[in-house]
Amino acid sequence: GENVEQHPSTLSVQEGDSAVIKCTYSDSASNYFPWYKQELGKGPQLIIDIRSNVGEKKDQRIAVTLNKTAKHFSLHITETQPEDSAVYFCAPKSYSGGGADGLTFGKGTHLIIQP
Amino acid sequence: NAGVTQTPKFRVLKTGQSMTLLCAQDMNHEYMYWYRQDPGMGLRLIHYSVGEGTTAKGEVPDGYNVSRLKKQNFLLGLESAAPSQTSVYFCASSYSPLANTEAFFGQGTRLTVV
Repeated sequence: GENVEQHPSTLSVQEGDSAVIKCTYSDSASNYFPWYKQELGKGPQLIIDIRSNVGEKKDQRIAVTLNKTAKHFSLHITETQPEDSAVYFCAPKSYSGGGADGLTFGKGTHLIIQP
Repeated sequence: NAGVTQTPKFRVLKTGQSMTLLCAQDMNHEYMYWYRQDPGMGLRLIHYSVGEGTTAKGEVPDGYNVSRLKKQNFLLGLESAAPSQTSVYFCASSYSPLANTEAFFGQGTRLTVV
């Protein structure tokens, strides 16, 4: 199965600064790389994802970059705002064999935006 | 647009009691999942279903049972609750993981077993 690690486990940044969270995975067949955001008291919500044929994807202040050779992908948040404070999870997935068996999540990164 | 609804939101059980958590989705999704979330552990898959009448074990299935009698509902049962099952439980659904589609999560059920 997939072995997923996220770093750091906690990240504190000043409002307006950038934040980067890294996710490493073990399954070289992984071809789908999503990031989920979980706000306090809520379920996770997809914020951005990338397929293996793309190296980078941007959506306003957030971006995801993928390095398949090194088997890691990263979430980048620029111009951080208080509403970015949350726990972020990566969940790399291989859909080669069907992929019905759910997502394997990293342990999460608690992002704290300091005013 | 309700999405994924979990019932109840909070519950306290005594060791040995049983209960059923209900998950309902109104998006006509084929795939449904039950996860548990523990501090520092991320989300771990308990059981999942690829369609009405089908279920399968995930990473941590022991002590739980599930049923998918209707496409829109996925039930998680605890036959004899143990303190180790104290956790936050999340249900999720997706249209089809074959298309790398988004998983939609419910708000969670916080269960305490004393």
